[in-house]
Amino acid sequence: DAGVTQSPTHLIKTRGQQVTLRCSPKSGHDTVSWYQQALGQGPQFIFQYYEEEERQRGNFPDRFSGHQFPNYSSELNVNALLLGDSALYLCASSLGASPEAFFGQGTRLTVV
Amino acid sequence: QKEVEQNSGPLSVPEGAIASLNCTYSDRGSQSFFWYRQYSGKSPELIMFIYSNGDKEDGRFTAQLNKASQYVSLLIRDSQPSDSATYLCAVPDRGSTLGRLYFGRGTQLTVWP
Repeated sequence: DAGVTQSPTHLIKTRGQQVTLRCSPKSGHDTVSWYQQALGQGPQFIFQYYEEEERQRGNFPDRFSGHQFPNYSSELNVNALLLGDSALYLCASSLGASPEAFFGQGTRLTVV
Repeated sequence: QKEVEQNSGPLSVPEGAIASLNCTYSDRGSQSFFWYRQYSGKSPELIMFIYSNGDKEDGRFTAQLNKASQYVSLLIRDSQPSDSATYLCAVPDRGSTLGRLYFGRGTQLTVWP
């Protein structure tokens, strides 16, 4: 049973650039959530996708956008990167309304 | 906005001791609570969840919930060096139809041999 997979695992980008992160949910899961985790902090909710729609959004600017595909996989896009966007980006999958979420290994984004 | 508070530690215990990790939350109506373990540089791993007042035991781990005091804790018995990690407390968003989680900052635990 494949767990949650994310790609890439590490990424270095320059300030002002754009980045796309990818996530495949755990088999059987249909809901994908994205979190940002800064060093020494807990994960912060960015947004959540269900049935290919953004269902809920945290306190993040419009530079952060996403998409969910018919196979439930998802992308997180960040435009106009800032140094402060450097963090571990986590994808979590769950089934419907269940709060029991399983995380992928994360993408470490460094903005220089 | 929900508040989930954890003592960031670090908490240091000797091998074989009981480690006690605490979490308080602001939403009195919260019904379920999750504990995640996160090794350095890795992603969070779900280790325990609890819905009812009282204790829930799973191997060396015991979660304790006191809804009246808005307090949930995680006890790790017979602590091992491999338990050294950051432990995150998470509370689902009761107001949404889908499972958004609010996390605390995490408590860093070190178990020394």
